[in-house]
Amino acid sequence: AQSVTQPDIHITVSEGASLELRCNYSYGATPYLFWYVQSPGQGLQLLLKYFSGDTLVQGIKGFEAEFKRSQSSFNLRKPSVHWSDAAEYFCVWNSGGSNYKLTFGKGTLLTVNP
Amino acid sequence: NAGVTQTPKFRVLKTGQSMTLLCAQDMNHEYMYWYRQDPGMGLRLIHYSVGEGTTAKGEVPDGYNVSRLKKQNFLLGLESAAPSQTSVYFCASSYSSSGVAYNEQFFGPGTRLTVL
Repeated sequence: AQSVTQPDIHITVSEGASLELRCNYSYGATPYLFWYVQSPGQGLQLLLKYFSGDTLVQGIKGFEAEFKRSQSSFNLRKPSVHWSDAAEYFCVWNSGGSNYKLTFGKGTLLTVNP
Repeated sequence: NAGVTQTPKFRVLKTGQSMTLLCAQDMNHEYMYWYRQDPGMGLRLIHYSVGEGTTAKGEVPDGYNVSRLKKQNFLLGLESAAPSQTSVYFCASSYSSSGVAYNEQFFGPGTRLTVL
């Protein structure tokens, strides 16, 4: 079965430090990939998405992600983390075409130290 | 433009009680979804709908029913609540582009349900 793996359950970084959240997918064909963020007690907000084309995609709030087919990865990065980035981050996969169902990773909780 | 709204925001039920969660969207989206979120599990799809009058089972449909009588509304029902249904429930909607429905989903704020 297709799956999305987020290896890190919890990451702690200092404010101003760089951030990379890992995501690996298991399906062979070109996937459609998303990163969502969930602030405490809130719904999910789309950070960025990859469908095709450039493998480096830019999102909101200064986030970017790089699609690497050879590594089946779609890691999320930010050069300098702000305290307001503390949240849970979900990597999400969709096979595209007529399949509109999303497969969610289990999430990575980000804590930002002052 | 409210986006996706959910009613109620919180609810406490006793085992065996029934209730309905309402999801409404004002974006004219074709597709709507119900998810549950449990700690360490991510979001799991309960049921979804590809259009008015149509529904389908997702990953964890047991114990739930849904209806999509109007395009803008998607109802999730629990006929006989169980403690295992204690969770946070999210509704989402999405649109298609050129017949391809891989676009992002827009989420509501969630409903926190506790079953005692």
